[in-house]
Amino acid sequence: KAGVTQTPRYLIKTRGQQVTLSCSPISGHRSVSWYQQTPGQGLQFLFEYFSETQRNKGNFPGRFSGRQFSNSRSEMNVSTLELGDSALYLCASSGTSGVQGTDTQYFGPGTRLTVL
Amino acid sequence: GDSVTQMEGPVTLSEEAFLTINCTYTATGYPSLFWYVQYPGEGLQLLLKATKADDKGSNKGFEATYRKETTSFHLEKGSVQVSDSAVYFCALFSGGYQKVTFGTGTKLQVIP
Repeated sequence: KAGVTQTPRYLIKTRGQQVTLSCSPISGHRSVSWYQQTPGQGLQFLFEYFSETQRNKGNFPGRFSGRQFSNSRSEMNVSTLELGDSALYLCASSGTSGVQGTDTQYFGPGTRLTVL
Repeated sequence: GDSVTQMEGPVTLSEEAFLTINCTYTATGYPSLFWYVQYPGEGLQLLLKATKADDKGSNKGFEATYRKETTSFHLEKGSVQVSDSAVYFCALFSGGYQKVTFGTGTKLQVIP
């Protein structure tokens, strides 16, 4: 079974630009979560989508947004990029049936975003 | 709120040494507990998990036991290898829609 894939793997942008990252979950998984990883803050939860609906959101400004498509693929968008947005952005999918549970999250390799 | 506390790194060990990485947690209810590993330049890989008290998760020689009385989930391995060098994250899920709380990570370096 193919794992979680993320594209692109690396991105370089300048301040003020916007960026869109893509995540394809494991086949059959309907939940997709996004995390930001930085050396200073560690892993921080951005948001989670299930069946095209955002169910949970972390403490990030509105510049960070996401969506999920009917095939469970997800995108996240960051507008008006700031230097502090430089990070590894990780996507994780899980096979939850939709009920709060203990399903395991499986991570993709991440997208390394550098803002200059 | 939920939180996970891991021992500070980096941890440097010689090959074949015994490894312990401490992890304690605070959570409501009965969380599931996980250890993830991140190799350089890669995403997180699930290493092991335990879903209820006294469960022992194990994989690739690593073990961790869910201790509810001490709210701990320490990671152990009897004999580490150079290839185990990575960052290890303890995490919990206590309900709510797929929001996993991670520790800060512990970097392990194994030297030959």
